[in-house]
Amino acid sequence: EAQVTQNPRYLITVTGKKLTVTCSQNMNHEYMSWYRQDPGLGLRQIYYSMNVEVTDKGDVPEGYKVSRKEKRNFPLILESPSPNQTSLYFCASKEFGSPLGNSPLHFGNGTRLTVT
Amino acid sequence: GDSVTQMEGPVTLSEEACLTINCTYTATGYPSLFWYVQYPGEGLQLLLKATKADDKGSNKGFEATYRKETTSFHLEKGSVQVSDSAVYFCALNFGNEKLTFGTGTRLTIIP
Repeated sequence: EAQVTQNPRYLITVTGKKLTVTCSQNMNHEYMSWYRQDPGLGLRQIYYSMNVEVTDKGDVPEGYKVSRKEKRNFPLILESPSPNQTSLYFCASKEFGSPLGNSPLHFGNGTRLTVT
Repeated sequence: GDSVTQMEGPVTLSEEACLTINCTYTATGYPSLFWYVQYPGEGLQLLLKATKADDKGSNKGFEATYRKETTSFHLEKGSVQVSDSAVYFCALNFGNEKLTFGTGTRLTIIP
């Protein structure tokens, strides 16, 4: 089954404790992206990647890192989490180069992060 | 910059009622327009799309028409079901990899 898998689904941590949220897709997609979803703000893009070893900042990259060492994986790293990073995070992927109208974004089921 | 404005929720309707969720956009040029739906506990999935003016997207009984003159893409359904309860996001794109989302509208259908 074609899917984007995020882990964990729920995570509670404390300020300053490094964490990683994993994302893996089995569709051989070149493009992957991380979003955060906050009430009243919709989805905002954190980072995206066009292919292996190619990553770029989205709209809200501060406090986050990503890596793309393999095509299928795109982990999101919070080196020193803070309470304002409490949010619902989504990973997404698609074929690169095909317009979004023809090849939609495929989303994972989300990771709810709480930083105390 | 480009932006999408959706009607604020939450929206609560009885089963079989008519639904309209308003969406307008601000953009330079003519973007592609999308509605994504997020069911409880799941990620977003594409509901329908329109890539040029006067196009009508449709899926699962939902429709939306790309209106260039009013820069709108309102989501409509003639008779909603309990299973339509979800959060709906309007979004736009200019043929690159970036989607600009609205803030989402939570819809609850009561039996």
